[in-house]
Amino acid sequence: GAVVSQHPSRVICKSGTSVKIECRSLDFQATTMFWYRQFPKKSLMLMATSNEGSKATYEQGVEKDKFLINHASLTLSTLTVTSAHPEDSSFYICSARDGRADRTDTQYFGPGTRLTVL
Amino acid sequence: GENVEQHPSTLSVQEGDSAVIKCTYSDSASNYFPWYKQELGKRPQLIIDIRSNVGEKKDQRIAVTLNKTAKHFSLHITETQPEDSAVYFCAASRGFGNEKLTFGTGTRLTIIP
Repeated sequence: GAVVSQHPSRVICKSGTSVKIECRSLDFQATTMFWYRQFPKKSLMLMATSNEGSKATYEQGVEKDKFLINHASLTLSTLTVTSAHPEDSSFYICSARDGRADRTDTQYFGPGTRLTVL
Repeated sequence: GENVEQHPSTLSVQEGDSAVIKCTYSDSASNYFPWYKQELGKRPQLIIDIRSNVGEKKDQRIAVTLNKTAKHFSLHITETQPEDSAVYFCAASRGFGNEKLTFGTGTRLTIIP
């Protein structure tokens, strides 16, 4: 159990276009999902916390109008990178908190999306 | 906010030997400490976690120790195998209700056959 999927796995887009990334919890309900960004050989940097049915909470320095997050259901959160530029190229990973009583702290990660902006 | 430091950044050990990775954290309210293993281009995989009401936890060849007074926790891997080669991240959070994880900078572990 506790599987998180992410789609697409890779995307290449032109500068100025928008890209949507989906994160799904497949076998559990996730009231909270998290979006991270990871540069090559670097750690995971939290971008925002996504709560089902409410606005996302963004970390300092993350532009909320550029990285739009929607958490419309207990199993789906989306991240849209708007007007993408080459500096937005990165590995984006989501995680979902397993809300079951005995695992309230545990986060499970999706496989990541490698975004390349030309 | 929380700051998590991780050492060493790279570690090479002979197959069969033990590996130890150490992390320190700054937020005394943190009470949940997971360890993740990430292979190249793959997702981080939870390998073990510990909560602040426990000083040590073991799962086969992997163990984690926590010293709340000193605000540090460590990952111990015994009888290392080539498949243990990966990047390991420690993390800390305040736990339920405030689950935001702050990650360490990672340790690249290489097991030498």
